[in-house]
Amino acid sequence: AQSVTQLGSHVSVSEGALVLLRCNYSSSVPPYLFWYVQYPNQGLQLLLKYTSAATLVKGINGFEAEFKKSETSFHLTKPSAHMSDAAEYFCAVSSTGTASKLTFGTGTRLQVTL
Amino acid sequence: EAQVTQNPRYLITVTGKKLTVTCSQNMNHEYMSWYRQDPGLGLRQIYYSMNVEVTDKGDVPEGYKVSRKEKRNFPLILESPSPNQTSLYFCASSTLSSTDQDGTQYFGPGTRLLVL
Repeated sequence: AQSVTQLGSHVSVSEGALVLLRCNYSSSVPPYLFWYVQYPNQGLQLLLKYTSAATLVKGINGFEAEFKKSETSFHLTKPSAHMSDAAEYFCAVSSTGTASKLTFGTGTRLQVTL
Repeated sequence: EAQVTQNPRYLITVTGKKLTVTCSQNMNHEYMSWYRQDPGLGLRQIYYSMNVEVTDKGDVPEGYKVSRKEKRNFPLILESPSPNQTSLYFCASSTLSSTDQDGTQYFGPGTRLLVL
């Protein structure tokens, strides 16, 4: 069984501030981990993914995430928020051997203020 | 352009009136899936298909049907819609090839359904 917990359904940061969106996973086998972003009135777009290579993964738009097995975490960060980062972010897990079975977290809505 | 398309994008219907939401992908993906998105619940899988004529239930299949007669198409059917099926629906596809089997899914733009 696999599951994802995203801490904080809403996060608000000032433009230029650090973005930190939290994700913890549970998986009985080594996981693949993903962050998807959903801009208003759009579908989901892959931001980045961890597939057992480097533990620090860089994605699009300046985002990155670090896989920490000891903490079962895959938190998403960006050093400096931009207004265009306002969106909903979903963490998801897929267990190796059951590729394509994605389990999503409940999402975190990021608000960026001036 | 590689993409997943869904139609219609917006749909208002009444309780009990059968409807179909179409989904098509042009990436020759074996795996296709339907999700519904509800506030505070994230995305939940309704049905998925590993290949033509192979479908299986996801986490919330009640009230839905699917079919996979062709590799590129995976329609979602609501035989008798009810108000609790009001939601935002996403279709997604993925390859199952051994060289790219990391679970990355490609999503359609979504279909917003309102059942009155």
